[in-house]
Amino acid sequence: DGGITQSPKYLFRKEGQNVTLSCEQNLNHDAMYWYRQDPGQGLRLIYYSQIVNDFQKGDIAEGYSVSREKKESFPLTVTSAQKNPTAFYLCASSITRSGANVLTFGAGSRLTVL
Amino acid sequence: GQQLNQSPQSMFIQEGEDVSMNCTSSSIFNTWLWYKQDPGEGPVLLIALYKAGELTSNGRLTAQFGITRKDSFLNISASIPSDVGIYFCAGEEPRSSNTGKLIFGQGTTLQVKP
Repeated sequence: DGGITQSPKYLFRKEGQNVTLSCEQNLNHDAMYWYRQDPGQGLRLIYYSQIVNDFQKGDIAEGYSVSREKKESFPLTVTSAQKNPTAFYLCASSITRSGANVLTFGAGSRLTVL
Repeated sequence: GQQLNQSPQSMFIQEGEDVSMNCTSSSIFNTWLWYKQDPGEGPVLLIALYKAGELTSNGRLTAQFGITRKDSFLNISASIPSDVGIYFCAGEEPRSSNTGKLIFGQGTTLQVKP
């Protein structure tokens, strides 16, 4: 079955540590995205990538970094510079359908800073 | 970043009742999407709307793309307990049509009492 796999599902981190969240898709989608979800705030875009070896900052990129070395993979690193990293992180990919971009989401990764 | 105004924020209804939620924006959109998110999971696409005035159904769900292109609503008829979750609207602005970036509403949390 085609889909998006995020790992780990749950992650605990001590303050000052960098952590990397994995996102892999086998949908052959060109574009991939990372969103952060906090209660009552909906989804906010962190980074997105439309093609391999290229990515752009979203609305809340500070304290995060990404890479896109392969079409299937778009890992997100939460650095120690991110002041409030505890959140639910969602990876998505998209294919243009009928002239619009419809996002398919992974199951999410919950990061908790201790 | 811009967010859509989604209402209501939460609903607590009796099983069998109909539900209505809507999203409004100060700017026009090319596309409206409606997603449902179960607790601890990623959002799943329910309905996609591509043209102003379009009315689309998916089982007990009906959604419409407002004629002004600045709003959309989602109706759920004869609610059942598995309708519980968070419903998000999302829109694509004309200036973002080649980036795949979507703007999300804050979500409507639906609880259904059996």
